[in-house]
This record gives sequence, structure tokens and C-alpha cells, in this order.
Amino acid sequence: GENVEQHPSTLSVQEGDSAVIKCTYSDSASNYFPWYKQELGKRPQLIIDIRSNVGEKKDQRIAVTLNKTAKHFSLHITETQPEDSAVYFCAASSQGNNRLAFGKGNQVVVIP
Amino acid sequence: DVKVTQSSRYLVKRTGEKVFLECVQDMDHENMFWYRQDPGLGLRLIYFSYDVKMKEKGDIPEGYSVSREKKERFSLILESASTNQTSMYLCASSQGTQPQHFGDGTRLSIL
Repeated sequence: GENVEQHPSTLSVQEGDSAVIKCTYSDSASNYFPWYKQELGKRPQLIIDIRSNVGEKKDQRIAVTLNKTAKHFSLHITETQPEDSAVYFCAASSQGNNRLAFGKGNQVVVIP
Repeated sequence: DVKVTQSSRYLVKRTGEKVFLECVQDMDHENMFWYRQDPGLGLRLIYFSYDVKMKEKGDIPEGYSVSREKKERFSLILESASTNQTSMYLCASSQGTQPQHFGDGTRLSIL
């Protein structure tokens, strides 16, 4: 089955700087890649997703890039703010959204 | 807005007990999922369902079963709870290829 790896496991950034989290996947048939943000004690919430027919997608301060050849995708957060502090999970699916394989999560800490 | 409701936020049970975790969604979604979340291991899929009375094993189904008698409700069952099933359990639902929406989770402790 699909295997998703996420790096680094922990990332600390100064407020206002950019943060980048990278994920790799193993199944070349995967075609859907969502990112979830989980604040402490709360549910995971979708923040952005990308399908394999596009290479980049942006929503305000958040962007995701996809490199199908290298089988990796990345989350970019610009102008980080304290409220961006959370655990971020990447995932991949080759069956639309019917079954997701998640990475182990990345703790992002934004230092004021 | 999609609402996925899990019956309990916190639950404490004893080893050997039969435990039921309930999940209800209000958006008539076809797909429902049960995950467990453990520190450093991310979200791991236990079981999922595409339709009423239909179920498929995820990555870690051992020790669990599920029931989906109605479209809106998906139950996770621990037939004989063990201490290694102490975890956070998350339910999610989706429609077709649309994103999954999660409930608030149930933190289950098995003593």
C-alpha cells in the first residue's frame, strides 16, 4: 500500500519567516494530496489539497507544490504567525478521497 | 457546514470489556472512516465504509470490528479491550472524492 513520509518531524520558525514541510509518497498511482492542520486538543482540519493534474496551488499564505516525477509534495507557509503553530499532516490517496495514507505529522512552532 | 459527531470525548474502560465508539455525520456522506492517532505515529486507518452494511479493513484492523446499519452512523467495536488500544480515536466522513471531515475524537483509556 501507499507509504507517506514527512520531514522534518519538528520545525521552529521565527514569526514572519516561511515554513516548508516536505512529504514523499511511494505509490506512483496516487493522485490526491491533502494537508491537514491539527491544533492542540482539536480535530484535524483540511487547509489545502492538490490533485495530480496541477503542480501548484495557493490559498493566501499557504501553498502546496507537487512533483510527480520525484513523488514528493510540500506545504509552504509564508509570513508565519503564532496561530500557525500546530501539527500538520500530509496524506496521499490513489482512490480519489476514499482512502488516505497519512504521514506521521510535523510539529510547527512559530516563535513570537 | 459538515458535522461529524463522536459520542464521547473521553472514555475509560477495563481490559476485556466490549467497547462501542459511535460516530454520526449529518451530510448524507457515503464514506466513513475510523482512525487511531498515537504520538509519533500519525493517523492510522482501522476500518472504512463506502455504504450501508459495507466495510473494508484499513491498515490496523486487528482487535476491532465495525458496524454501519444506517448511512449516517458508523460504529467502532473493541470486542475485548486491551491496554494497547488506549489511544485517540478519530472518525471522518466524505462524499465521493471530496475531502474527509473529522470529528473531535474520543480519547479512550483501557485500564
